[in-house]
Amino acid sequence: SAVISQKPSRDICQRGTSLTIQCQVDSQVTMMFWYRQQPGQSLTLIATANQGSEATYESGFVIDKFPISRPNLTFSTLTVSNMSPEDSSIYLCSVRGGWDEQYFGPGTRLTVT
Amino acid sequence: QQQVKQSPQSLIVQKGGISIINCAYENTAFDYFPWYQQFPGKGPALLIAIRPDVSEKKEGRFTISFNKSAKQFSLHIMDSQPGDSATYFCAANDDYKLSFGAGTTVTVRA
Repeated sequence: SAVISQKPSRDICQRGTSLTIQCQVDSQVTMMFWYRQQPGQSLTLIATANQGSEATYESGFVIDKFPISRPNLTFSTLTVSNMSPEDSSIYLCSVRGGWDEQYFGPGTRLTVT
Repeated sequence: QQQVKQSPQSLIVQKGGISIINCAYENTAFDYFPWYQQFPGKGPALLIAIRPDVSEKKEGRFTISFNKSAKQFSLHIMDSQPGDSATYFCAANDDYKLSFGAGTTVTVRA
């Protein structure tokens, strides 16, 4: 399995500002994913980020709100733009292993005031 | 709408008992079914997974039962321990994307 770290682990931000979340993996992976987990809820896929191509967003998520970068095979960032209290969630990155399995990072806990 | 339906929402079991969590799906394109365990403040951890050509998979105290014709699968936690108290999510994979169930909070009473 992959070892995944995320920065920051938590943050409190003011509405209207933006936060960039970093995801670092200890090995090269082709597919990385970003999820949102609202308080007490399940996980919802935001987008798939493959190195060398534009991120693919799921229904209800747009690039202007959640721009993603994937500069290499071990790193990705997710920016939450123009934040509102409704963006308060845990943001998780994950990577796909060799047999469809996905491994998750520890998450970034975001509170927007 | 949720592509994977999970029940119950929560359950309480005595130490040593069996916890059973059920999931159902409709999308026959799903080809891989993992279960995740999540402790408060942590990311989900892959617990056990199964493919639809297998009816059962066991790893330690955790067993997945899979019924392809009924489009249902379940997680059984045998000899439940207080350290198993967590939220469990079932999921299903289609084209590299995971769809998650709503989650089940398991509380194991000592």
